[in-house]
Amino acid sequence: ETGVTQTPRHLVMGMTNKKSLKCEQHLGHNAMYWYKQSAKKPLELMFVYSLEERVENNSVPSRFSPECPNSSHLFLHLHTLQPEDSALYLCASSYTGGDNSPLHFGNGTRLTVT
Amino acid sequence: GQQLNQSPQSMFIQEGEDVSMNCTSSSIFNTWLWYKQDPGEGPVLLIALYKAGELTSNGRLTAQFGITRKDSFLNISASIPSDVGIYFCAGQTGANNLFFGTGTRLTVIP
Repeated sequence: ETGVTQTPRHLVMGMTNKKSLKCEQHLGHNAMYWYKQSAKKPLELMFVYSLEERVENNSVPSRFSPECPNSSHLFLHLHTLQPEDSALYLCASSYTGGDNSPLHFGNGTRLTVT
Repeated sequence: GQQLNQSPQSMFIQEGEDVSMNCTSSSIFNTWLWYKQDPGEGPVLLIALYKAGELTSNGRLTAQFGITRKDSFLNISASIPSDVGIYFCAGQTGANNLFFGTGTRLTVIP
């Protein structure tokens, strides 16, 4: 149990499909993140939610749509993706306050777009 | 965003050897973090450093926050096969400003 749980672990989807990635954290954190991890590139921050409000959106294409219904759950809705969107999508959480805690990551969803 | 240069990109070492990797940047950071990622899993935090000059150990791992606040290193002593994985450094300037290196892929030969 990592404290941050992501489902599904693997996802294969066509370019016309709509799917959602789910993340749940059990650490009492108040911020959640989506990162994209591609081969031989640094982790790319996609979205940040702090206290359920989106505070960062790093020029991510609109075919990625995040949703944070509460401080423990985070979704990434996917539609009309491209093959170059194939990557490992990592969710993370942290506590942002007087003493910011480091990010804790889930095990990721390996996404393949065909 | 800030760029972190992590080296080496990959290492092949014999079991029992010591390992050293580092991260440098042209930018100043308030926090340095070191993560390890095993295949099929997410990064796991190894060590967090919060003060310039800080030297922190976690078992066989030792990491230091550089005096200039622009660099950090991670040492692993007496490597074992389960040390295999990708090690990432990360520099942080604020709550939502965390920048990752490209990783060091470690292979330990038994």
